[in-house]
Amino acid sequence: NAGVTQTPKFQVLKTGQSMTLQCAQDMNHEYMSWYRQDPGMGLRLIHYSVGAGITDQGEVPNGYNVSRSTTEDFPLRLLSAAPSQTSVYFCASSYYDEQFFGPGTRLTVL
Amino acid sequence: AQKITQTQPGMFVQEKEAVTLDCTYDTSDPSYGLFWYKQPSSGEMIFLIYQGSYDQQNATEGRYSLNFQKARKSANLVISASQLGDSAMYFCAMREGQRLIFGQGTELSVKP
Repeated sequence: NAGVTQTPKFQVLKTGQSMTLQCAQDMNHEYMSWYRQDPGMGLRLIHYSVGAGITDQGEVPNGYNVSRSTTEDFPLRLLSAAPSQTSVYFCASSYYDEQFFGPGTRLTVL
Repeated sequence: AQKITQTQPGMFVQEKEAVTLDCTYDTSDPSYGLFWYKQPSSGEMIFLIYQGSYDQQNATEGRYSLNFQKARKSANLVISASQLGDSAMYFCAMREGQRLIFGQGTELSVKP
C-alpha cells in the first residue's frame, strides 16, 4: 500500500514552459485535492475532485488545470509557468475526515 | 476573511513540559471538522488529531489532545511531555464541505 505518491520530487522550469505534476493513490479514495504551500501562507487549495470525471476549483486555481479520468490519478497541469508559481505542491486524498498527503513536489520557476 | 487563525508564529517549550498551540476558526456551517497536522523540516504533512463539530468529547491521540471550545470557536492543540522530535511547524485546518482550509501555522521549538 503506497498511499499517495507524487512525481517528480523536484522540478525547475523556465517561464512559459508547461508541465504536469503527477499524483496517484492506491486507497480507492473518491476525494483528491491539490494544494500549494508558500512561505508564511500555510496550504492553499488549488483544485479538488470528488470522484472520477468531477473536478472543481479551490482558492487559487488560476494557471492550473486538472482532470480526473480514474479514481487513482489526479494530475495537475501548469499551462504556462510563471515565477509566482514557485512553491511546494501537495496532493492529498481523503476518506471521510482524514486527509492523506503525498510527500510534495518542490517547483521552481525561473 | 480569515477562516482559520493561528496567532502564534513561533513558540518555545522546554523538553518534558506541556505546550498549547492556539487555533480559532470561523464558519456558519453547523457541520465541520477540525484537524491538526505536523510538518517537520523534512516537509511531509503528518496527521495528528481530528475533532468533529458534533463530537461531545475532546479528541485525544496519545500525547496530543484537542481543547475544543465550540462557543468560542477555538480548537487548541495540547502536546503533553514535549520531546525534541516535536520541533516542527503545526497547522490547524478546518473541513468546510469538501474543502480543507489551513491556518498559517505555528513553529514549535523544543529546548533540551
